[in-house]
Amino acid sequence: QPVVTQEPSFSVSPGGTVTLTCGLSSGSVSTSYYPTWYQQTPGQAPRTLIYSTKTRSSGVPDRFSGSILGNKAALTITGAQADDESDYYCVLYMTSGMVFGGGTKLTVL
Amino acid sequence: QVQLQESGPGLVTPSETLSLSCTVSGVSVTSANYFWSWIRQPPGKGLEWIGYVYYTGSTNYNPSLKSRVTVSLDTSKNQFSLNLRSVTAADTAIYYCARFLYYYYYIDVWGKGTTVTVSS
Repeated sequence: QPVVTQEPSFSVSPGGTVTLTCGLSSGSVSTSYYPTWYQQTPGQAPRTLIYSTKTRSSGVPDRFSGSILGNKAALTITGAQADDESDYYCVLYMTSGMVFGGGTKLTVL
Repeated sequence: QVQLQESGPGLVTPSETLSLSCTVSGVSVTSANYFWSWIRQPPGKGLEWIGYVYYTGSTNYNPSLKSRVTVSLDTSKNQFSLNLRSVTAADTAIYYCARFLYYYYYIDVWGKGTTVTVSS
């Protein structure tokens, strides 16, 4: 089973910009893996932010954007707000099924 | 509005079978547009995909759990279920059921999750 890699933690200042990445232990992430990003706050079920690399889910603010940067998928938050402090999970779809990354804990301070 | 609700025992004895159901409202589990999925999250850890079932009954499972997992549909109740055999403490987790959208390959609706503890 391929391993999906994410930064364990990241910090951003309020109003700042941060880019979280999603890679593969071997190989490059491409749009054919349909990269998806989920946000999870403590005690809550995950919420879909971005699917199919760059499409924002309904109701997601446009300060969240998805892309491919180099050989990784990326989630960029522009103008970070306090309530963006959450865990962010990247998921890639493969023939063997869905593979979750380990998640990135984002701190806004 | 589509809603998913997990149900089942909150405590399971080691070596026994963990059985959960997910009741779906607002959409039929016989729709060809979705895979019906299970995901879990051990305490303080990340999310792990368990498996999914399609309306045809075909399934796909996480290779690391495949030997112990069955996901199935009950169309008469508009439900799908999870059976995880020979559980250990490592199977203690929050279990989420979810709707996985075909063609776009992502989860668009999540249940609220149910906590299952494996302990004697």
